[in-house]
Amino acid sequence: VQLVQSGADVKKPGASVKVSCRASGYTFTDYFIHWVRQAPGQGLEWMGWINPETGGTNYAQKSQGRVTMTRDTSINTAYMELSRLRSDDTAVYHCAREQKRSGNGAFEIWGQGTMVTVSS
Amino acid sequence: EIVMTQSPATLSVSPGERATLSCRASQSVSITLAWYQQKPGQTPRLLIYDASTRATGVPARFSGSGSGTEFSLTISSLQSEDFGLYYCQQYSSWPPKTFGQGTKVEVK
Repeated sequence: VQLVQSGADVKKPGASVKVSCRASGYTFTDYFIHWVRQAPGQGLEWMGWINPETGGTNYAQKSQGRVTMTRDTSINTAYMELSRLRSDDTAVYHCAREQKRSGNGAFEIWGQGTMVTVSS
Repeated sequence: EIVMTQSPATLSVSPGERATLSCRASQSVSITLAWYQQKPGQTPRLLIYDASTRATGVPARFSGSGSGTEFSLTISSLQSEDFGLYYCQQYSSWPPKTFGQGTKVEVK
């Protein structure tokens, strides 16, 4: 069971970034995928989740309006797109899989993280 | 939103000693509390879920306790590989599944 994320990216302020998270070793549609980010030297910040079965999403208030989470069940991949990037969006972005199919659990499996740097 | 507060921010411990980390929730989360370990440059690793259940492969020296609003993670005899950052997370009332700000366990 693993989640493999896309590689590091550098973007200019105002641009958008799309990070992918490919799942393997389990049935992709059985478990929610969450996105968590970590700015340099900072803690973990939950950004939102997607239900791969239905495509339903829920976003953190801080991310509302700028983040879009989608999935492609044909290739077992979840995506997180963040628009109107600012310098304080510079962070490592992680996808993480729920522990329980009900969605009411901890984050059992983590992707390796994707470093997104926002710089002019 | 439930706020998670961890203490202390930094814990200095000698190898072989016992370490106890604390996590407090702003309202009751029952036992829906997890602990994660993160080493520099690595991804967080689930250690404890449901307040006291060790995740697969986690050594027995790690133990979690508590319920409601007060929780603790104890490392009975610190090994060199245990130094790093530790985060608690509640998943009782979500979204969001909030994390604490972390406790750094460093070599004394």
